[in-house]
Parts: sequence; C-alpha cells; structure tokens
Amino acid sequence: GAGVSQSPRYKVAKRGQDVALRCDPISGHVSLFWYQQALGQGPEFLTYFQNEAQLDKSGLPSDRFFAERPEGSVSTLKIQRTQQEDSAVYLCASSSSRGSPTGELFFGEGSRLTVL
Amino acid sequence: LAKTTQPISMDSYEGQEVNITCSHNNIATNDYITWYQQFPSQGPRFIIQGYKTKVTNEVASLFIPADRKSSTLSLPRVSLSDTAVYYCLVGPANDYKLSFGAGTTVTVRA
Repeated sequence: GAGVSQSPRYKVAKRGQDVALRCDPISGHVSLFWYQQALGQGPEFLTYFQNEAQLDKSGLPSDRFFAERPEGSVSTLKIQRTQQEDSAVYLCASSSSRGSPTGELFFGEGSRLTVL
Repeated sequence: LAKTTQPISMDSYEGQEVNITCSHNNIATNDYITWYQQFPSQGPRFIIQGYKTKVTNEVASLFIPADRKSSTLSLPRVSLSDTAVYYCLVGPANDYKLSFGAGTTVTVRA
C-alpha cells in the first residue's frame, strides 16, 4: 500500500480481555516499530523488528504485551488481560533503513485502545 | 539520548512565521536533529532533519547554530492547517528508539 495501515482504528475492550492490533507496513520496508502514545504525551517506543527478527523489545511495559512479525511484513501487537492503564493509541511505523531510521520513519494513523 | 526542551505551546495567526526553539545542551557529536509533526488522530510525520547550519525544504527551515546546543524550526506563513504538535528529536543516525517528549502544541488562529 501507499502508507502504513493499522487496524482496527478503534478498539474498546473490557478489562481482562485480550486484544490484537495489526500493522501492515509500507511494502519492502525492512524495519518496523511499535509505539504507545498516552493522551497528551508523545509516542514512546515499545519494540523494533528488522524483517522477522525482534531486535529490541525493551519498551514493552509488561509480559502481557507481545509482538510478532512472522514473515517479515505484517506485524501484530497482542495485549493479554488488558488493564485500564493500557488505554492509549498504539502507533506502528516502518522504515526502509536497516537500523538507521532517524528522519525516515513512516507512521500509521494508530489504533486507539480503550479499556473499560 | 540527548534530552530536549521545547515550549509546551505557541499561538500564532495565519500568515505569520512560527519559530520553535529546541534546547539540547548535551547533544553528542554524532547526533542529528529531527522534527516531526503530528495532527490529531494521526501518526507523527517527518518534517525535516539536520546536523549543522541550515536546512530548508518545501515545508520548513531548520536553523542550527555552530555549538549545536539548540535548534530552531521555522514554519513560514502558517495556515490553520499547520495547527499540530511539533516534536524535536535528537539522536544518532543509527538510533531506532526515537524519544519524542511532549512536543510543542502550535495553534494557528484566523
């Protein structure tokens, strides 16, 4: 596609439910990133993939968060047993650069998760 | 990562030039300065990147003094559609953990 596509755009979950957020990066982009943006704050790094390899997951807030990119293209961010503090916009970004994304990150519109 | 400081908010009027200054006193030799723009309900969008002196593109100009301890994003002749949050980021070219901070909310009024 022309840009990074994320789905669903909006998700409402009851506390304790599992959710899965999908990211379809720009075709051919090697690097893929997930960010979390709380209301009124800037995005914060969650995890980074280079092709199918998850090279950094240091930003994932707990072991309830899991991300995968099995074929090096589409990625899924899964949150198990959601909590209210997980409510945020989850942004996916991709880049054509191998580990050199500065200035070249392309973001999707995000998936807004609301946990009730 | 070099810490950045930028104003929380700025107001302007259509047709004016908006200048947002970002302080980054502990910028490292191999750090670049990058600015992103974010509209409501959208992801951030890259505006401009520079290392030193001045960089200009069709959207903005970036001024970086010789000591590189600060930088100024200049938006010429803003319109209502330039209302957004603007983030200043500083980091090495191979850094993938972008640190956005809270950004500067620019509001353009008619």
